[in-house]
Amino acid sequence: AIQLTQSPFSLSASVGDRVTISCRASQGISSAVAWYQQKPGKAPKLLMYDASTLESGVPSRFSGSGSGTDFTLTISSLQPEDFATYYCQQFNSYPFTFGQGTRLEIK
Amino acid sequence: QVQLQESGPGLVKPSQTLSLACAVSGDSVRTGGYYFNWIRQHPGKGLEWIGYIYYLGSPYYNPSLSSRATMSMDTSSNQVSLRLTSVTAADTAVYYCVRERGYGNYRRFDHWGQGTPVTVSS
Repeated sequence: AIQLTQSPFSLSASVGDRVTISCRASQGISSAVAWYQQKPGKAPKLLMYDASTLESGVPSRFSGSGSGTDFTLTISSLQPEDFATYYCQQFNSYPFTFGQGTRLEIK
Repeated sequence: QVQLQESGPGLVKPSQTLSLACAVSGDSVRTGGYYFNWIRQHPGKGLEWIGYIYYLGSPYYNPSLSSRATMSMDTSSNQVSLRLTSVTAADTAVYYCVRERGYGNYRRFDHWGQGTPVTVSS
């Protein structure tokens, strides 16, 4: 199975900050990566797919990039509602796998 | 707007079979191009993909479940189901029913149910 390793494991930031979360795959996966946001007690919510395509309704402060083995999710200016846990996930091959998550906390 | 609603027993005894249902509303499970997946999240942990089923297709399961999982689809009630046999404490998790759409690199899990918690305990 393809392993996805996210970094950092956790991150403290302030409203207005620019933050970047990384996701590294154990082998090349083209651009078959999606990103999700999860808040406590809630289901994950789709933010991005095909590494850089923003899901409808998601604010444009979210952006994604990458191809092959290295991917990033960037939030250009953090808003209070963005503090959550973020997961990358690959669709390149079965079984589908997720990164371990990055917890974004308020500084 | 499609909605998915999971339901289940909440508590299951070790070695028994867990049965979960997912009621789909706002669209038909027979709609082409949609796969229905089950994903679980162990307490305080990350996400684990269990498998998928789609209309007129064969289900596919994560090999890590060692053939304990079975998915089915009931088009008359617009539901999908998951059965997991021989459960242990390691199967304690929140189980999500999730719709997948797209093809190739454009695939994504675009709609999630709210999740149903399952505890395996005697």
